[in-house]
Amino acid sequence: SQTIHQWPATLVQPVGSPLSLECTVEGTSNPNLYWYRQAAGRGLQLLFYSVGIGQISSEVPQNLSASRPQDRQFILSSKKLLLSDSGFYLCAWAQDSYEQYFGPGTRLTVT
Amino acid sequence: RKEVEQDPGPFNVPEGATVAFNCTYSNSASQSFFWYRQDCRKEPKLLMSVYSSGNEDGRFTAQLNRASQYISLLIRDSKLSDSATYLCVVTNPESGSARQLTFGSGTQLTVLP
Repeated sequence: SQTIHQWPATLVQPVGSPLSLECTVEGTSNPNLYWYRQAAGRGLQLLFYSVGIGQISSEVPQNLSASRPQDRQFILSSKKLLLSDSGFYLCAWAQDSYEQYFGPGTRLTVT
Repeated sequence: RKEVEQDPGPFNVPEGATVAFNCTYSNSASQSFFWYRQDCRKEPKLLMSVYSSGNEDGRFTAQLNRASQYISLLIRDSKLSDSATYLCVVTNPESGSARQLTFGSGTQLTVLP
């Protein structure tokens, strides 16, 4: 069966510091991968998606970037965090359908 | 107009009650629809897909009205464990192989003892 991992689970970072969040999927090949952000009390905002290794599409302009160095690895990064980057970051995968399955998320607080 | 609109609630209902959530979507070309459940401070989890003919999974019934661009979720005999936020989700038909989803902001349900 497929599983999806995210780490770290929680993170507190100062403004201006770098960020690296990691997501890995097991038990599937060539999945679509997605990064979402959910601000407190808000809906899910799609940040990036990837349909294959090295293929990244951005949905919103921001100071974040994403990379997919391996088939089942998806990384979200920032060189300099802003206060507005605080939120709940969720990685999801999908395989040959629209049904997406989410990882446990990373709760980021920028101070 | 939001792409997917839901009543945010909160809905506070007693155990055993029947509760219904509604959702409207703006893109008439959307083809697939889902309900996700999100517990407090947790990730969303797929609850059920919504089929044109309507579908039922135990105490949960989902209905789709394409003409009105309207989706509903009915929960019968509510349990305390049903307390969560319910997200209405619609596919983005223009997303091609990316298979993007558009999420509503969710309806919060609290089932009271």
